[in-house]
Amino acid sequence: GESVGLHLPTLSVQEGDNSIINCAYSNSASDYFIWYKQESGKGPQFIIDIRSNMDKRQGQRVTVLLNKTVKHLSLQIAATQPGDSAVYFCAENSQGGKLIFGQGTELSVKP
Amino acid sequence: DTAVSQTPKYLVTQMGNDKSIKCEQNLGHDTMYWYKQDSKKFLKIMFSYNNKELIINETVPNRFSPKSPDKAHLNLHINSLELGDSAVYFCASSEPGLQQYFGPGTRLTVL
Repeated sequence: GESVGLHLPTLSVQEGDNSIINCAYSNSASDYFIWYKQESGKGPQFIIDIRSNMDKRQGQRVTVLLNKTVKHLSLQIAATQPGDSAVYFCAENSQGGKLIFGQGTELSVKP
Repeated sequence: DTAVSQTPKYLVTQMGNDKSIKCEQNLGHDTMYWYKQDSKKFLKIMFSYNNKELIINETVPNRFSPKSPDKAHLNLHINSLELGDSAVYFCASSEPGLQQYFGPGTRLTVL
C-alpha cells in the first residue's frame, strides 16, 4: 500500500562526489530490476537495468549492484552533477510482468 | 517524436464529474500501463493491457475504466471523481518483460 506518514528519503551530495542510492526489494522470485530517474514535473526515465543472473552492471557514470541474498539493489552515480538531482526509483519485475516500484529517494546535488 | 504522450497534462475538475485521460505510444509496443503517483511520490500500477486485452487489474475502484481502441492507445476514464483521486497519472508502454517507457504524466486535481 501507500507509504502513508513516511517522508521521501533524501540524499544530499556535493557536486563531483559519488552517490549511492539503496533499495530493498520484496520478491525473491523477481528476475529483472530497473532504476528510474524522475525529474520534477516529468515521468520516470530509464537509467539502467539488471537481470537476476548478474550482480553488477555498468553504464555511463552509473553502476547497479544486485545482492540477491539480502534482496538489495544499489545505484552508484559517479561524479554527481547538478543535473542528476531527481527522485530515483528502483523497480522489480515480478511474475506477470508487473513492475513494483520502491519508495523512491530524492537526490539533491549541491554545487 | 514523443514516444509516449498523454493529454491533458493538467486536469482540474469538481467532485462527481467524469473525465478521461488519453495516452498514445508510437514505439510499436504491445503492452501499455496506467500508474498512479500519490503526493508522496509512491508509484502504483493500476492497469496493464497487452495488444488491447486487459492483463493486469489491480484493486482499483470500478469508477476507473481503461479503454484500448488499438494497441497504440490506452485511455483512462474516471467516473464520479472523488477528492482522493487527486494524483499524477502516468501512462507507460513496453515490450513484455522489458523496461517501461513513461509518458509525461497528467496531474489531476479534484476540488
